[in-house]
Amino acid sequence: ETGVTQSPTHLIKTRGQQVTLRCSSQSGHNTVSWYQQALGQGPQFIFQYYREEENGRGNFPPRFSGLQFPNYSSELNVNALELDDSALYLCASSLAGLAKNIQYFGAGTRLSVL
Amino acid sequence: GENVEQHPSTLSVQEGDSAVIKCTYSDSASNYFPWYKQELGKGPQLIIDIRSNVGEKKDQRIAVTLNKTAKHFSLHITETQPEDSAVYFCAASNESGGGADGLTFGKGTHLIIQP
Repeated sequence: ETGVTQSPTHLIKTRGQQVTLRCSSQSGHNTVSWYQQALGQGPQFIFQYYREEENGRGNFPPRFSGLQFPNYSSELNVNALELDDSALYLCASSLAGLAKNIQYFGAGTRLSVL
Repeated sequence: GENVEQHPSTLSVQEGDSAVIKCTYSDSASNYFPWYKQELGKGPQLIIDIRSNVGEKKDQRIAVTLNKTAKHFSLHITETQPEDSAVYFCAASNESGGGADGLTFGKGTHLIIQP
């Protein structure tokens, strides 16, 4: 186990709704990244947070937003949900610096949009 | 941006045999290449990684090789066991950038170990 915890484990929402997913990073890690994993695909980078600010972003629209808190935990918010947002959302924590891309993943939140 | 291709998509081997999974990447600036194992219902687990300043790294039954010139890297698992059955992902990133581009993943290889 990595020590990265995500909640909830499963979620069902309706198109147009908003959702918030939560992540607690591994002890000692100060950087959190979020990924979207569609069924049968590899994870896709959404964004990364360091020092409570967005530090980098993949090819996702602005309705995907996030927060990082002083204890390094993080939230992913998705507004105006679309059917294609149905996926496994993964959080990964790491330590800033030369090891910033050694990332440890949580078990994910499975989001279904109906 | 970076693009990572992974082959094969499914690999079936007899228990005790070796398995090899191959990946290619497009961005010559990439310098960090991790491999993840994902079991059903779980998140990806880091199993081995390599940086561009070395050509090979080994950890017990698992090894990774990197050819920077050809922009490809491979995962080798020897003496396969039933618990090696899972989906394996390769990834690439540039650790040198000031910001974060994240990891770019391949599409995964479903490894099946036949008893």
